[in-house]
Amino acid sequence: EIVLTQSPTTMTASPGEKVTITCRASSSVSYMHWYQQKPGASPKPWIYETSKLASGVPDRFSGSGSGTSYSLTINNMEAEDAATYYCQQWNYPWTFGGGTKLELK
Amino acid sequence: EVQLVESGGGLVQPGRSLKLSCAASGFTFSNYGMAWVCQAPTKGLEWVASISTGGGNTYYRDSVKGRFTISRDNAKNTLYLQMDSLRSEDTATYYCARVLTRLVDYWGQGVMVTVSS
Repeated sequence: EIVLTQSPTTMTASPGEKVTITCRASSSVSYMHWYQQKPGASPKPWIYETSKLASGVPDRFSGSGSGTSYSLTINNMEAEDAATYYCQQWNYPWTFGGGTKLELK
Repeated sequence: EVQLVESGGGLVQPGRSLKLSCAASGFTFSNYGMAWVCQAPTKGLEWVASISTGGGNTYYRDSVKGRFTISRDNAKNTLYLQMDSLRSEDTATYYCARVLTRLVDYWGQGVMVTVSS
């Protein structure tokens, strides 16, 4: 099973700040997906196949990476971006990272 | 509009069974792989099982193999998860999920399963 380790686990960011969330895989994967989840809501697809933005996702978000290291970046943090973000790899068994809780400062 | 509506959750004693259903609408159900993903209270996401479009291929996480069975009825646009020999660690919200190229592109609202005596 491929273990995904996200860092940081929690973080706070001020409006306008740049945010980077990292996801490290225990073995090389071809792509990484990212999901956003807000309290009391279902997750939403956010970034797929490493760098493609899901429908409706603001272009201040971006994704990058390869092999065992991937990241999600927010340029110019906004209040609505406060949420928990999860990475997911698609080799069976699928696994998710433990999540990164991003709060607004 | 794509809709995935789960039902069948509730409180169940350890060792008993429960069957979850997911009614799909707004898309051609038989064209998509489907999955169940769970989330224990205050915890992260965990993939449970997946099924191919026709139901011929199924995949499970190790901790549920032999206990859970994923199935689908394309005529009824419904996904199922039969959960047997339930354990306290199965307590979670279970999400029905539509799969597009191994990405979950739509999630249901989730149904709570609590395993407790």
